[in-house]
Amino acid sequence: EPEVTQTPSHQVTQMGQEVILRCVPISNHLYFYWYRQILGQKVEFLVSFYNNEISEKSEIFDDQFSVERPDGSNFTLKIRSTKLEDSAMYFCASSDGGGGNQPQHFGDGTRLSIL
Amino acid sequence: AQTVTQSQPEMSVQEAETVTLSCTYDTSESNYYLFWYKQPPSRQMILVIRQEAYKQQNATENRFSVNFQKAAKSFSLKISDSQLGDTAMYFCAFMTPYGGSQGNLIFGKGTKLSVKP
Repeated sequence: EPEVTQTPSHQVTQMGQEVILRCVPISNHLYFYWYRQILGQKVEFLVSFYNNEISEKSEIFDDQFSVERPDGSNFTLKIRSTKLEDSAMYFCASSDGGGGNQPQHFGDGTRLSIL
Repeated sequence: AQTVTQSQPEMSVQEAETVTLSCTYDTSESNYYLFWYKQPPSRQMILVIRQEAYKQQNATENRFSVNFQKAAKSFSLKISDSQLGDTAMYFCAFMTPYGGSQGNLIFGKGTKLSVKP
């Protein structure tokens, strides 16, 4: 069964450094999402992406964050200048329909640790 | 704003028994979707079951079923004949297909379920 894959599984970065988290969505999916989960807290929506542009972003997704689909397969989340509070598990998801008509499929996540 | 509440941080159940996980939500929307996701220790979140709010019939998927009470804004998950592989974190999630939060999942804090042999 096709899966969403995320790399790396664990990223350790110094505060203030840039980090790029990578995701390969399921190949025929058109809608892409990033979520994050701070340890012990709920999973929170960051951003959704469709047709090569951001559909919606949460208040967490400030100017330090950006997303890109640099080619036909990858979907990346960049954090320009990381802060300690960016430490979290970051999940990528994709679906082939928006608005709940089709389920979102999640990757294994990338654990980001900011030192 | 929509919110999802899971009031049971942890639960345990004996293998082969039945367990029910609670979820309540708050919304002013009339049409929406509700989901249960399972996150085993291997970390990947897997969709367990989905319910469309305009459907009266409760969704079922093999050993998993929901009790959807729209008026009470309640969406509980029942796991029958629990198996060791059901040990996981279970997240209840809400989505509205309309408006500013279209297509975005809003999650509860999760319930950690342990199935004991």
